[in-house]
Amino acid sequence: GNSVTQMEGPVTLSEEAFLTINCTYTATGYPSLFWYVQYPGEGLQLLLKATKADDKGSNKGFEATYRKETTSFHLEKGSVQVSDSAVYFCALGIQGAQKLVFGQGTRLTINP
Amino acid sequence: EAEVAQSPRYKITEKSQAVAFWCDPISGHATLYWYRQILGQGPELLVQFQDESVVDDSQLPKDRFSAERLKGVDSTLKIQPAELGDSAMYLCASSGQGGDYGYTFGSGTRLTVV
Repeated sequence: GNSVTQMEGPVTLSEEAFLTINCTYTATGYPSLFWYVQYPGEGLQLLLKATKADDKGSNKGFEATYRKETTSFHLEKGSVQVSDSAVYFCALGIQGAQKLVFGQGTRLTINP
Repeated sequence: EAEVAQSPRYKITEKSQAVAFWCDPISGHATLYWYRQILGQGPELLVQFQDESVVDDSQLPKDRFSAERLKGVDSTLKIQPAELGDSAMYLCASSGQGGDYGYTFGSGTRLTVV
């Protein structure tokens, strides 16, 4: 089946620290991979995506590389800010179905 | 910037009562999704519409949940009767053509069943 497993949270870091949130997936076929962010009281916003193996998605200083050999799509940022505090969701897009399967989410808190 | 509109933002209802949520997708978006997000978990797809037709409702608890999109535009999700375990955020999303997963999510309806 199709599933996404994310790093257990919550994660607490100091401002300017390096961030990694791990994400691995199981899928049939060739899924697209996504990271979404959810700020308190809001819906989900697309952060970045990658549609094929070795693609790198990037946005707002965040990056993630589609690794088919390790079935992973880890989220990284070199220097986090307080405003990055949110819940981050890894997701895969099921090929041909236009349907997303989400991980359980990782709550990130950045302290000044 | 175009948005997916949802109402109400918050709803408190007693168990065994009926409750309904409304979603207005981005104009021209043919595909509409309802997701349920239980606190501390990721969203789970309940139902997917293509225009007015249901494409996927395999995870919709059909004994108590119903969804419709009569004219292929806005949509209503109903729960009757509500149970305590239905407390969650209900998210609506829409996407256009092209198969690029260009989802836009609404802000959601937070349901609390007491």
